[in-house]
Amino acid sequence: ETGVTQSPTHLIKTRGQQVTLRCSSQSGHNTVSWYQQALGQGPQFIFQYYREEENGRGNFPPRFSGLQFPNYSSELDVNALELDDSALYLCASSLGSSGSGDEQFFGPGTRLTVL
Amino acid sequence: AQSVTQPDIHITVSEGASLELRCNYSYGATPYLFWYVQSPGQGLQLLLKYFSGDTLVQGIKGFEAEFKRSQSSFNLRKPSVHWSDAAEYFCASDLNTGFQKLVFGTGTRLLVSP
Repeated sequence: ETGVTQSPTHLIKTRGQQVTLRCSSQSGHNTVSWYQQALGQGPQFIFQYYREEENGRGNFPPRFSGLQFPNYSSELDVNALELDDSALYLCASSLGSSGSGDEQFFGPGTRLTVL
Repeated sequence: AQSVTQPDIHITVSEGASLELRCNYSYGATPYLFWYVQSPGQGLQLLLKYFSGDTLVQGIKGFEAEFKRSQSSFNLRKPSVHWSDAAEYFCASDLNTGFQKLVFGTGTRLLVSP
């Protein structure tokens, strides 16, 4: 059974650019969540996708957007990058549509640096 | 608003000694509660979770946690720490909002001394 994978591992961008981060969910999982973890902080919830639809969003501006594909893999897109977007971006997958409580399995993350 | 507090930023424990990491949550009702561990270069791994029922929860790697409603706490414990336990530990809560949204504390970094 393959776990959650994310690509790329590291990424360096300049302010104002756009970036796309990718996540492959664990086999059989239909829900993907994205989190932003700034240095020295706990992860913060960005949004969640269930069966290709966004079904929950945290306190992040619209320049953070995403997609979920029919195979349940997902992308996180960030436009107009700002210095404060520098962080570790974590993807988590889970099986279920019942809401809270399902175990989320996390990938190793993508380290984004914005210069 | 829902929040999770981990008051200890760093904790140093001698190998073989016992460990307790503190976690307090702020919410009127009882949320779902979790403890995760994060090692360098690794994603978050779930240690244990509490939904309801028995307030003492057993997890992986010899960890346990006790839910205390009166103190709004969910402290993580281990009777004997191993050097491999050195990592960052996160407490998290999840309200039953209809979708999964984990709210994390700021984490506690565990250092294990020989």
